[in-house]
Amino acid sequence: DAGVTQSPTHLIKTRGQQVTLRCSPKSGHDTVSWYQQALGQGPQFIFQYYEEEERQRGNFPDRFSGHQFPNYSSELNVNALLLGDSALYLCASRQRTSGREETQYFGPGTRLLVL
Amino acid sequence: GENVEQHPSTLSVQEGDSAVIKCTYSDSASNYFPWYKQELGKRPQLIIDIRSNVGEKKDQRIAVTLNKTAKHFSLHITETQPEDSAVYFCAATPPGGTSYGKLTFGQGTILTVHP
Repeated sequence: DAGVTQSPTHLIKTRGQQVTLRCSPKSGHDTVSWYQQALGQGPQFIFQYYEEEERQRGNFPDRFSGHQFPNYSSELNVNALLLGDSALYLCASRQRTSGREETQYFGPGTRLLVL
Repeated sequence: GENVEQHPSTLSVQEGDSAVIKCTYSDSASNYFPWYKQELGKRPQLIIDIRSNVGEKKDQRIAVTLNKTAKHFSLHITETQPEDSAVYFCAATPPGGTSYGKLTFGQGTILTVHP
């Protein structure tokens, strides 16, 4: 049973560039959430996708956008990168109809460094 | 929105001692409270969770207690071992609605278990 996977593992970009991060949910899961974890802090919710639509959003600017595909995988896009976007980006998946729909499992993350 | 406060920020114990980490939350509607363990450079891993219709839950050396009236919940680790050393995060999420599935995390507790 494959867990949540993310790619790439590490990424270095310069200010102003754009980046796309990818996530494949745990087998059987249909809902994907993205979190940003700055060094030494707890993860912060960016947004959540299910049925290929953004269902809720945290306090992040429009530079952060996403997409979910029919196979439930997801992408996080960040435009016009700022130094402050340097962080670990975590994807978490869950199954909405499992009876334990609150339980979320995290991927290994993508560490983004903006120079 | 929900706000979760976690204490202490660091905790140092001797092997075999107990460790307790406490969290308070602000949204009385929150009804699901997971705890995650994050080792250096790795993904957050769910170690235990509790729902608001339960006051206590135990899994081997780990237990979580919930006081809905006071809006706080705690993680208890007994007979600590060096491999318990990690950062621990508490989180809360509200029931169904626009914020469903959005985890709000505490700031984390760095637990160090000395052999």
